[in-house]
This record gives sequence, C-alpha cells and structure tokens, in this order.
Amino acid sequence: GQNIDQPTEMTATEGAIVQINCTYQTSGFNGLFWYQQHAGEAPTFLSYNVLDGLEEKGRFSSFLSRSKGYSYLLLKELQMKDSASYLCAVMDSNYQLIWGAGTKLIIKP
Amino acid sequence: GAVVSQHPSRVICKSGTSVKIECRSLDFQATTMFWYRQFPKQSLMLMATSNEGSKATYEQGVEKDKFLINHASLTLSTLTVTSAHPEDSSFYICSARDTNEGVNEQYFGPGTRLTVT
Repeated sequence: GQNIDQPTEMTATEGAIVQINCTYQTSGFNGLFWYQQHAGEAPTFLSYNVLDGLEEKGRFSSFLSRSKGYSYLLLKELQMKDSASYLCAVMDSNYQLIWGAGTKLIIKP
Repeated sequence: GAVVSQHPSRVICKSGTSVKIECRSLDFQATTMFWYRQFPKQSLMLMATSNEGSKATYEQGVEKDKFLINHASLTLSTLTVTSAHPEDSSFYICSARDTNEGVNEQYFGPGTRLTVT
C-alpha cells in the first residue's frame, strides 16, 4: 500500500530552526510537495521537489532523497506565524497526490 | 500565482436538504479538479477527481450518488451534497491543476465549511 509518515506534532522556539521529516512509500513518484495549513484554512503551497537535493526558498528549504524515500522541510528563523500544520504529499505514478496526516508545529516565544 | 475560489465559504443547512459548492479557477484553465474533505485535526481526504466533460472518478468509500460532481467547463466544478446529514459536516476543499503548467502543482480553494443541523 501507499504510505506517508510524518511526526504528529513538534514544538520549537521563536527564532530557532526546525526540521520536519517525511518518509514515503508510493507506487511511482512524480514529485513531493510541502504545504502549510493554518487552522480553519485551506493548504498553501510551500515547495515541490522532484529531483534529489535541497531547494531553498527564503526561510524555508526542502530536501529530497528518492533512493531513501525521504524528505524534510527546514524552517529557519521561526516566527509565531509559522505555527501551523505542515503537510507532506507525494504524487504517485497516476499523478494522484498521496497525503501525509500533517505535522502540527507549535512555536513558543 | 493561480487563484482558485470557492463559494460559499460557510454554509449551514438542515438535515435532508442539498447543498451545492462551487469551485472556480479564476485565471487559468483546469482540466482536472479535485475535491477533498477534511475533518478536524485530520489530513485531507481525496473524495473524487473531476475531469472536464467527463464523469468524476470517486475514491473508494465515497458515495457518488450522495456527492454529485459536475465539471462542465474548464474553470468550474461543482460538488452537491445531497440529502445532507450531520455526519456530512466537514471542511470541503477543492483544488485545480493548471492545464498549461509544467509543474504538477495543485492550487487550492479557500475551502467551504459545511454544518448540517
């Protein structure tokens, strides 16, 4: 079966760095997405990785290793507004998105 | 970036009535749109994939006669929850894939919160 695993909840301090991991097992691979979702709102796109390596976009970076079925989202200089759920999703061979359950990130002052 | 709208943003209806939710891609054409449901503190659950001009593809366990999907144009898909019951209360989110984009990104609408009393 297809499976996406990510931690349920993480806590970090304002100004610090946090890494949210995601491991996956899917039938085929057409890219991995990270989305941010604030409570009561729809997800917003953060990043897309289809090749191995690190993609940096401002305070957020995303890494992919296809051989290991592994990705992480790195958030630097954490701000209170970064408190949200972070969803990892993999596009399989049928171009369907397989979603992880999301990681709730709590930022403390 | 591409914008997807949903209407209404919130709706409260009585048990047994039907509710229609619209999903529009405002500045791009979307051959494929997706309908998701999300219960509190849970991840997105794909309900169906909507393809313009053809029947929607429903995920296992989703009743196609209860959740009617119509994708009549490249910019509009509708989800009708028929004979709604309290257990249908949820956050319904649509997303659309830009037909002309090389990246397989899905753009999400703001969601519709349905409460059935």
